[in-house]
Amino acid sequence: EDKVVQSPLSLVVHEGDTVTLNCSYEVTNFRSLLWYKQEKKAPTFLFMLTSSGIEKKSGRLSSILDKKELFSILNITATQTGDSAIYLCAAYNNNDMRFGAGTRLTVKP
Amino acid sequence: ETGVTQTPRHLVMGMTNKKSLKCEQHLGHNAMYWYKQSAKKPLELMFVYSLEERVENNSVPSRFSPECPNSSHLFLHLHTLQPEDSALYLCASSQDRSPSWLTFGSGTRLTVV
Repeated sequence: EDKVVQSPLSLVVHEGDTVTLNCSYEVTNFRSLLWYKQEKKAPTFLFMLTSSGIEKKSGRLSSILDKKELFSILNITATQTGDSAIYLCAAYNNNDMRFGAGTRLTVKP
Repeated sequence: ETGVTQTPRHLVMGMTNKKSLKCEQHLGHNAMYWYKQSAKKPLELMFVYSLEERVENNSVPSRFSPECPNSSHLFLHLHTLQPEDSALYLCASSQDRSPSWLTFGSGTRLTVV
């Protein structure tokens, strides 16, 4: 059965810390992996990763995919309180997008 | 605003009530989705519509009934729900049936009492 597992489930850090969020997947006919940020209700798109080993960056956020080991990481450097959110990972195959349970990140001042 | 609008934002209903959730997208997308998000669980896909035709129903109980009258509107009709159906219901859309990425609405927080 296809599954996506995120770790940790929750994380509390202080402003300025660097965090790494993990996502492992087992999905048949895997096409791509996506990261979303969910602050209040609507998840918003962060990254889509299709190729192994190519880092994608957006400001303080970056992500990379390892298709051999079937995982992805999301890094956030110099965290700010506005980074507090649930981070969702989803693996996409030809038919469906399967989500993980998310990592709840809390950044304290 | 994401371009996907859901109403109402909050809904409290009794187990014998009938209510409907509404979703509207202004992005010109051709596919629309209903997801259920329960605490500490992954987002669960409920229904997918592509060009107004239902293409997927992930074994959802019949007390949830979707309707897609056109490519911009999606409804979820609810009747005789159970307390365990309390959750955040998210609508999403994508350009086509291949959801390279989804645009989500803000959701309806449903509480069944």
